[in-house]
Amino acid sequence: RKEVEQDPGPFNVPEGATVAFNCTYSNSASQSFFWYRQDCRKEPKLLMSVYSSGNEDGRFTAQLNRASQYISLLIRDSKLSDSATYLCVVNVRGAQKLVFGQGTRLTINP
Amino acid sequence: GAVVSQHPSRVICKSGTSVKIECRSLDFQATTMFWYRQFPKKSLMLMATSNEGSKATYEQGVEKDKFLINHASLTLSTLTVTSAHPEDSSFYICSARVEDRGSGGYTFGSGTRLTVV
Repeated sequence: RKEVEQDPGPFNVPEGATVAFNCTYSNSASQSFFWYRQDCRKEPKLLMSVYSSGNEDGRFTAQLNRASQYISLLIRDSKLSDSATYLCVVNVRGAQKLVFGQGTRLTINP
Repeated sequence: GAVVSQHPSRVICKSGTSVKIECRSLDFQATTMFWYRQFPKKSLMLMATSNEGSKATYEQGVEKDKFLINHASLTLSTLTVTSAHPEDSSFYICSARVEDRGSGGYTFGSGTRLTVV
């Protein structure tokens, strides 16, 4: 079983739609959670950290359910510029390294 | 903010030759750097953790004699792909943790696209 699992997509949605991504992690010792965005042929960039209380940054909302080991990302009022691959990323307690999910590719259509 | 500079951004080499990729932390000291490989439409897979002044820690299945890592200073880590073959063609990315930013403080190099012909 993969440590971090995501639906690879692709998701094709019209501009203005709301999109939700899900992610599950297998290691109960995971302590830090992130969503990264990666554009084609570029390095990943931090979109937002994910906290147990849930957090919001503009049109983006992230949720964490530790009991279910489940992470989500919601994008509201999607823009063309949101087209990218979204990576669910986990850091395990005591380890410095990040573990990446396979990514979910999103295309926003005009 | 913290920047990791990675070079070259793109390289094409012949089978059997070696290629060196450099990652430099420009405005901070990185005692640890991480080297990832990413195949098309796949996620980043950690290859090894580079530790300044000591041996790198390789992930299972990664050949340490083929992917040589050197982290001789607090600002430079290098990955050398030795005797490269076409199956080594991939996108290689380094990353460093910025200590004063908590768990969210990982910064990535811009990546190196290696093509072995």
